[in-house]
Amino acid sequence: DAGITQSPRHKVTETGTPVTLRCHQTENHRYMYWYRQDPGHGLRLIHYSYGVKDTDKGEVSDGYSVSRSKTEDFLLTLESATSSQTSVYFCAIGTGVYNEQFFGPGTRLTVL
Amino acid sequence: AQRVTQPEKLLSVFKGAPVELKCNYSYSGSPELFWYVQYSRQRLQLLLRHISRESIKGFTADLNKGETSFHLKKPFAQEEDSAMYYCALSEGWGGGSNYKLTFGKGTLLTVNP
Repeated sequence: DAGITQSPRHKVTETGTPVTLRCHQTENHRYMYWYRQDPGHGLRLIHYSYGVKDTDKGEVSDGYSVSRSKTEDFLLTLESATSSQTSVYFCAIGTGVYNEQFFGPGTRLTVL
Repeated sequence: AQRVTQPEKLLSVFKGAPVELKCNYSYSGSPELFWYVQYSRQRLQLLLRHISRESIKGFTADLNKGETSFHLKKPFAQEEDSAMYYCALSEGWGGGSNYKLTFGKGTLLTVNP
């Protein structure tokens, strides 16, 4: 499974609270991505990183921030969680070969 | 901007029947195309990439640049093929921004016994 883990795997939180999701890789790959998966929308890119401290916005970045202080870790923060951010969040790593990406197991987040 | 369209949200076939999952794309350059599969409540797995011209689990996909399509086919569906399938496009090689993937909304395939 390409050495990608996500934590926590499940989380229930309340509206207005900050939430941080962690993605950890053991593959030493340069590229990392955060997606959200919602019925009827497929996967949508939130933020991505192309190196330590190098990040950029994706398609649905409003309300999210990211940080990457080490190659192996990519953190996604919901600054003030809203019910519309209830979703399954997937992290992915990019090998830089053929542009393919490999995915983590996902985090199911519920915002009440 | 690039776009990936999977026109069927749901597709249901019987075991042993042929299956085709459609994918059309919109992109002005030379794309890299992929199919990913997600079994129930699991992570997405790379099924195949067009550049490798490979066959995985009996599935094949041919890039048709004239029709801007990358349909996924299997001659004889199996029950274990039941899953969500996503078509994805990448802009091609280059800097960090070019390694992003654009996904279609997915097709849920059900193979009935």
